[in-house]
Amino acid sequence: NAGVTQTPKFRILKIGQSMTLQCAQDMNHNYMYWYRQDPGMGLKLIYYSVGAGITDKGEVPNGYNVSRSTTEDFPLRLELAAPSQTSVYFCASRYSGATNEKLFFGSGTQLSVL
Amino acid sequence: GQQLNQSPQSMFIQEGEDVSMNCTSSSIFNTWLWYKQDPGEGPVLLIALYKAGELTSNGRLTAQFGITRKDSFLNISASIPSDVGIYFCAGLGILYNQGGKLIFGQGTELSVKP
Repeated sequence: NAGVTQTPKFRILKIGQSMTLQCAQDMNHNYMYWYRQDPGMGLKLIYYSVGAGITDKGEVPNGYNVSRSTTEDFPLRLELAAPSQTSVYFCASRYSGATNEKLFFGSGTQLSVL
Repeated sequence: GQQLNQSPQSMFIQEGEDVSMNCTSSSIFNTWLWYKQDPGEGPVLLIALYKAGELTSNGRLTAQFGITRKDSFLNISASIPSDVGIYFCAGLGILYNQGGKLIFGQGTELSVKP
């Protein structure tokens, strides 16, 4: 199993550009998450999904969109990049068993918007 | 919305000392989780707590799920240099439509002097 695969690792965008951060997991997890982490700060939940076709907003959804057409993939879309979106982005997935809350994280995407 | 307040923000301790950090919220959570994050990595799960009042240990780490379901603490005993990192609490929402929503505290940065 590859676990959670997140691409790209680094990206520089100009203000107003758009891009999609890719996230895929091969563990058949139904829950998937996108977080952003600003320097020296905690993780803020952007969007999450409890299964294919179901997504919901987290704490900081503005400026982002997601889709979950399959169990495996959960891409995050930035339509009009802004400097405030400069951050490290983490995708994560987990199994929803009653006593299995282990969150598997991708390796992160460092995004700079200039 | 749901928020987790984690304290302290940072700690500087001597090797061998015990450490305590906690998280509080105005919302009820049905699961509390504690993670550690090393630089450039995603967080790694340390301890998961599922029931109010539950006290769970993982080696030198002990965590408790508060009786009110609105707080949790993490203790590290006899700290060692490899304990250095950022520790995060995280909570899983209790509402049926937010059962997948996992949010993080702001983090406690731990420094250990040999």
